[in-house]
Amino acid sequence: QSALTQPASVSGSPGQSITISCTGTSSDVGGYYSVSWYQQHPGKAPKIMIYDVSYRPSGVSNRFSGSKSGNTASLTISGLQAEDEADYYCSSFTTSSTLVFGGGTKLTVL
Amino acid sequence: QVQLQESGPGLVKPSQTLSLMCNVSGGSISSGSDYWSWIRQPAGKALEWIGRMYTNGRTNYNPSLKSRVTISVDTSKNQFSLNLSSVTAADTAVYYCARGSTRIDPWGQGTLVTVSS
Repeated sequence: QSALTQPASVSGSPGQSITISCTGTSSDVGGYYSVSWYQQHPGKAPKIMIYDVSYRPSGVSNRFSGSKSGNTASLTISGLQAEDEADYYCSSFTTSSTLVFGGGTKLTVL
Repeated sequence: QVQLQESGPGLVKPSQTLSLMCNVSGGSISSGSDYWSWIRQPAGKALEWIGRMYTNGRTNYNPSLKSRVTISVDTSKNQFSLNLSSVTAADTAVYYCARGSTRIDPWGQGTLVTVSS
């Protein structure tokens, strides 16, 4: 299975909004509403931020939102804050009953 | 609140079998309808899904690792395990255990396994 495609890096200034894309195929992102997004700070375990495309777990800021169109899912972070600087990974369920991750995106808050 | 903790050797020789345990606390591994997963991350690289196990013992594995991976459970110890055979340097990574299948939460803190002679 091939990794989902994410931009290697994105950046934004405090207060701005950014969007990270996650592109797959009809066998994963396009075929299921099982896309999740994870935030990972250096040396730490990943933390779930979005599940099932657009649902936020309890405790996650409403500045984080998710969506999907066709084979591409997106994570939007509004009102960027310094603590949002981290690596972000998407994941999706696949037709083979497996999970596939994206290559990761490094978010820099300028 | 469920918490997970990985344990096992930090150094494994090439061609040998990597064996890790994940201790689950704060809840029973055999209750409910949970999946239990292993994920790894080589230094500076992306997350890679290894596989998952359902509470009834059913498993699914990454096709690229399937021939070498076994995930199993010890309900008496409230633990689940990962065995990866015939390891090479390419298997050097931080290994995470976690609860969930597509909604993976929580995660263990991760344990670094280095494959080297």
